[in-house]
Amino acid sequence: GDSVTQMEGPVTLSEEAFLTINCTYTATGYPSLFWYVQYPGEGLQLLLKATKADDKGSNKGFEATYRKETTSFHLEKGSVQVSDSAVYFCALSDSSASKIIFGSGTRLSIRP
Amino acid sequence: DGGITQSPKYLFRKEGQNVTLSCEQNLNHDAMYWYRQDPGQGLRLIYYSQIVNDFQKGDIAEGYSVSREKKESFPLTVTSAQKNPTAFYLCASQPTGVREKLFFGSGTQLSVL
Repeated sequence: GDSVTQMEGPVTLSEEAFLTINCTYTATGYPSLFWYVQYPGEGLQLLLKATKADDKGSNKGFEATYRKETTSFHLEKGSVQVSDSAVYFCALSDSSASKIIFGSGTRLSIRP
Repeated sequence: DGGITQSPKYLFRKEGQNVTLSCEQNLNHDAMYWYRQDPGQGLRLIYYSQIVNDFQKGDIAEGYSVSREKKESFPLTVTSAQKNPTAFYLCASQPTGVREKLFFGSGTQLSVL
């Protein structure tokens, strides 16, 4: 079945460092891909999405490109801030769009 | 304001007790979902519903039950058959027919006394 694999955390960086969180997927057909962010004690919020190959999603300085050839959707940010500390989830929507499958999440901590 | 509301925020269950978590949305979304989140882990799908009066089991449905009598409401009952219910429960809704994002509630933390 469809699945999402993302790098294990926690990831700890200093402020202004470059961030990459890896995400790869397995799916039949052509899924949509998402990154969600979860702040402590809250639900998830959509960070960005891409619906077809070579699309780039971007929001709040974060970017991710839908790479069909490598089945990847890595999250990047050029200069992280303390306020970016959260748990980040990669997810895909299966071809029938009947449900969304999440990765295990990556906890990110940014040191001032 | 439009949104999705979960209640209560914290809930305690005694041994052998059934408890019900509420999820209400006023976004006019057809699809609704329940996920379970354990510490340091991802989200696991419990049940989902694409339309009123219809729902499907997710990956970990055992020990849980749901109903979908109204479009706006998708309550989750954690039954006494669920032996390890302590977790953070998240409800979400989604417009149907397109690959749209999920809208999440703020979650309910369920603990066993």
